[in-house]
Amino acid sequence: ETGVTQSPTHLIKTRGQQVTLRCSSQSGHNTVSWYQQALGQGPQFIFQYYREEENGRGNFPPRFSGLQFPNYSSELNVNALELDDSALYLCASSFDNLGGYTFGSGTRLTVV
Amino acid sequence: KQEVTQIPAALSVPEGENLVLNCSFTDSAIYNLQWFRQDPGKGLTSLLLIQSSQREQTSGRLNASLDKSSGRSTLYIAASQPGDSATYLCAVRSLGNAGNMLTFGGGTRLMVKP
Repeated sequence: ETGVTQSPTHLIKTRGQQVTLRCSSQSGHNTVSWYQQALGQGPQFIFQYYREEENGRGNFPPRFSGLQFPNYSSELNVNALELDDSALYLCASSFDNLGGYTFGSGTRLTVV
Repeated sequence: KQEVTQIPAALSVPEGENLVLNCSFTDSAIYNLQWFRQDPGKGLTSLLLIQSSQREQTSGRLNASLDKSSGRSTLYIAASQPGDSATYLCAVRSLGNAGNMLTFGGGTRLMVKP
């Protein structure tokens, strides 16, 4: 059973650029969520995808967008990067909406 | 709006001590509560998941309890070891429209000294 894998592991971007982060969910999981974790804080919910539809969104602006594919993998896209977007981005998958979550190792994004 | 608080924010103990980490949440209408471990710069490793109908879960030296009515959970670590040093996060999954997200506490940074 493979876990949740995220790519890339580290990324440096310039303010104003766009970035795409990728996530492969754990085998058998159909729900993917994305979280942003600033240094020294708990993760904050960005949004969730269930069966390829957005199924909830946290307090993040529209320049944060996502996709889920038929194989349940997912992308997080961030446009017009700001310095405050620098954080660890975590992907988590689960089976349906109510199970426990399995998290990936994260993508460390630095915006300069 | 669900809010989760973890106390203490940081804890340093000598090896071998039994210790308790606390988590409180403001809305008792929850599906479940999950405890995670996070090593520096890494992702989250799930330790224990407690469904709302359960009172506790155990895994090895770890025991987590849930008192939904009072909005509290505790993570008990027996006979702590230096390898237990990490940040411990609790997260609550709430009923209703917010049921598709986890609300996290700020974490407890644990250091176990040899």
